[in-house]
Amino acid sequence: EAGVAQSPRYKIIEKRQSVAFWCNPISGHATLYWYQQILGQGPKLLIQFQNNGVVDDSQLPKDRFSAERLKGVDSTLKIQPAKLEDSAVYLCASSSGLAGDSEQYFGPGTRLTVT
Amino acid sequence: GEDVEQSLFLSVREGDSSVINCTYTDSSSTYLYWYKQEPGAGLQLLTYIFSNMDMKQDQRLTVLLNKKDKHLSLRIADTQTGDSAIYFCAESIPSGYNKLIFGAGTRLAVHP
Repeated sequence: EAGVAQSPRYKIIEKRQSVAFWCNPISGHATLYWYQQILGQGPKLLIQFQNNGVVDDSQLPKDRFSAERLKGVDSTLKIQPAKLEDSAVYLCASSSGLAGDSEQYFGPGTRLTVT
Repeated sequence: GEDVEQSLFLSVREGDSSVINCTYTDSSSTYLYWYKQEPGAGLQLLTYIFSNMDMKQDQRLTVLLNKKDKHLSLRIADTQTGDSAIYFCAESIPSGYNKLIFGAGTRLAVHP
């Protein structure tokens, strides 16, 4: 079974530029998550999708971050414009359901550096 | 509020047992998890425990939950160099849809 795929793996941009990350979840997984992991911290949930609908985006900075999952499969996360404090690893995860015992499978992440 | 705290660093000798501790604040948490993160990799679920359990054992891993004190621990028996990684404790918030709150992680260093 293929795991969660993310691209690119690394990205360096200047502040005020735009960037987009892509995630392909495990086949058949209805739930998709985007986390932000700042160096030295644990992952923080940014947004959660159930199929193509948003179930939680309470910690997404909506003035600059956006995410979509148009066909309920792949997802993109965009930052526009980027700030220095957006430097982090962006992790995508997927699970088969919303129950607490539905394991979240994580991708390798995209490391973003904003200069 | 929701908060998960862990000690930042643990060093053990190969073959010894490792114990990583975690405290959480949300008494309504339904599941508690331990994830492992190796350099350059995503998080891997090691084990989880339901909140009505006190202990769970899975091969070399033992999870102890003290719900009264909101304390969770992970014991790794016969620690090997391949166990060197960052270990994250996380709680599942029942008001969220399987939303996880992570601690900052404990870096485990295993030396010969």
